[in-house]
Amino acid sequence: GQQLNQSPQSMFIQEGEDVSMNCTSSSIFNTWLWYKQDPGEGPVLLIALYKAGELTSNGRLTAQFGITRKDSFLNISASIPSDVGIYFCAGQRWGAQKLVFGQGTRLTINP
Amino acid sequence: GAVVSQHPSWVICKSGTSVKIECRSLDFQATTMFWYRQFPKQSLMLMATSNEGSKATYEQGVEKDKFLINHASLTLSTLTVTSAHPEDSSFYICSARRLVTNTGELFFGEGSRLTVL
Repeated sequence: GQQLNQSPQSMFIQEGEDVSMNCTSSSIFNTWLWYKQDPGEGPVLLIALYKAGELTSNGRLTAQFGITRKDSFLNISASIPSDVGIYFCAGQRWGAQKLVFGQGTRLTINP
Repeated sequence: GAVVSQHPSWVICKSGTSVKIECRSLDFQATTMFWYRQFPKQSLMLMATSNEGSKATYEQGVEKDKFLINHASLTLSTLTVTSAHPEDSSFYICSARRLVTNTGELFFGEGSRLTVL
């Protein structure tokens, strides 16, 4: 099925560094969601965005709903070892029940 | 956040047997639940949308007779993999929607790993 274009696919960083990832689409979404998945677990909701231009923080995480409604980014500041995992963006169109997912960004942190 | 629980978290079965996976929303009612399948190092693939009290809507290419979905209450949906074969081995994840105004945050269960011998 259709997926969002999420980048980068993987990141290898040093502990303490900031992280940035984004998702883009050729069509408009009315909701953007960011999830984190640990190995063998289900995704956990990090941030939900409902308005174009909205900037929302959750601790060291900050996400923005692009003004064009076709993109979103997630930033992680001062990364720590427990940030390791796979991050997925997801978009929902108005009136649609299901989410469209990005391919995921695998984050690895070197101590 | 809202809690969605899946059971069992892992199951091993013989080829030809059927396996049932339960998905429960523990602290909210969910009129809509979703079932996903995830292969290693890949994103989530939506299998079907489960609506309480009605038939599930399956995505293209998903066999409805193979993957039976029942959503009999506002807090429980079940996925039954019938006559399982090794190629059905996968990580199955459910999610449930909690309504927030006109949109809905989607919360996921812990996942169920199925291994068919």
